[in-house]
Amino acid sequence: DVKVTQSSRYLVKRTGEKVFLECVQDMDHENMFWYRQDPGLGLRLIYFSYDVKMKEKGDIPEGYSVSREKKERFSLILESASTNQTSMYLCASRAGLAGVYEQYFGPGTRLTVT
Amino acid sequence: DQQVKQNSPSLSVQEGRISILNCDYTNSMFDYFLWYKKYPAEGPTFLISISSIKDKNEDGRFTVFLNKSAKHLSLHIVPSQPGDSAVYFCAATSFTGGGNKLTFGTGTQLKVEL
Repeated sequence: DVKVTQSSRYLVKRTGEKVFLECVQDMDHENMFWYRQDPGLGLRLIYFSYDVKMKEKGDIPEGYSVSREKKERFSLILESASTNQTSMYLCASRAGLAGVYEQYFGPGTRLTVT
Repeated sequence: DQQVKQNSPSLSVQEGRISILNCDYTNSMFDYFLWYKKYPAEGPTFLISISSIKDKNEDGRFTVFLNKSAKHLSLHIVPSQPGDSAVYFCAATSFTGGGNKLTFGTGTQLKVEL
């Protein structure tokens, strides 16, 4: 079974702080993703990575950056947290096989910015 | 611009009856569709998918139907069980886009009552 873990389940940070969210997958997947989930908006893609050190912007990258130094680890960085970044953050991974599109999600990090 | 729409935010059905969750899309480039289930405080779990070359895919109690001309898909759960109570998201992607970008709907909260 694919296992995707996220460093924290709940996080409370102050406005202006730099925030790191870590994600690790154990299935040697090439692709990794960061989403945020907000009520009434579904899941929205922030960034994804298809290889080590490679990244692409998703639909809502503003205010975020990412880092992928190792295949199994994908970090989301909030350079200066703001209250509108209070959300549920979900990491996912996907194999790089053609025709395989299922993404496997971690348990999520509930971030509150005060 | 919501390219994947789930117009029913909630649905309530009795145990043992059929649950039908609906999803509409606007982007004609989408050719692969997925359904995910999400319990509170957990990440989404992949349920079932369908390619645009099919109009039906079945897995146990879950069946997904695709009507390409109407740009509509539905998830049928028969018989519904209390453990099926969760939020269901449909998602869509495109083969030609590499399949990395899933576009999610806003979700439907299913409640299965005893």
